Amino acid sequence: DTEVTQTPKHLVMGMTNKKSLKCEQHMGHRAMYWYKQKAKKPPELMFVYSYEKLSINESVPSRFSPECPNSSLLNLHLHALQPEDSALYLCASRTGVEKDYGYTFGSGTRLTVV
Amino acid sequence: AQSVTQLDSHVSVSEGTPVLLRCNYSSSYSPSLFWYVQHPNKGLQLLLKYTSAATLVKGINGFEAEFKKSETSFHLTKPSAHMSDAAEYFCVVSVNTGGFKTIFGAGTRLFVKA
Repeated sequence: DTEVTQTPKHLVMGMTNKKSLKCEQHMGHRAMYWYKQKAKKPPELMFVYSYEKLSINESVPSRFSPECPNSSLLNLHLHALQPEDSALYLCASRTGVEKDYGYTFGSGTRLTVV
Repeated sequence: AQSVTQLDSHVSVSEGTPVLLRCNYSSSYSPSLFWYVQHPNKGLQLLLKYTSAATLVKGINGFEAEFKKSETSFHLTKPSAHMSDAAEYFCVVSVNTGGFKTIFGAGTRLFVKA
């Protein structure tokens, strides 16, 4: 298995809702990432997990809460989002955090906040 | 400080003609360099990477790139464009600055005309 699987593919949520994005990989990668991508822009790093521990939080608002239940799963819990949070949310993994490893990206969750 | 500059925001070629997407980088550290492709509403896919071995790197789908340290460049080329190559391309630099940092270029949109 050489894929990163993200669910759901599309999500529409109100500003008072709570929802979760899910990401799964079975490549044995020990580093997992959440990126946010706005239209016509490169991905922006949100969170990094290394060996299931949060190692980087790029000053993301607390309405985004990551969770790494085990080495294969990564969740992003969403609560009280704003319309400007609408974006493509990408999960990625790689063998480790070292600079030589390339990312494997999922296809993303297209989030719309109404 | 580290930076990546993709010199063209848009490139348009005819099918069957060569492709050149330009990327310059700046880094005080020894970088690893990557090219990713993103088709509409999809995640990013790794095309190729340079990690201090051979300076001419071959990737998937007929793409290749040459690392030129003297010019601080890592341009992406393909001898003959195919319609399916139309996509967004990102040049990415990774460095070890004591922590591991990844910087995405702004992206180049490739259009392929029939």
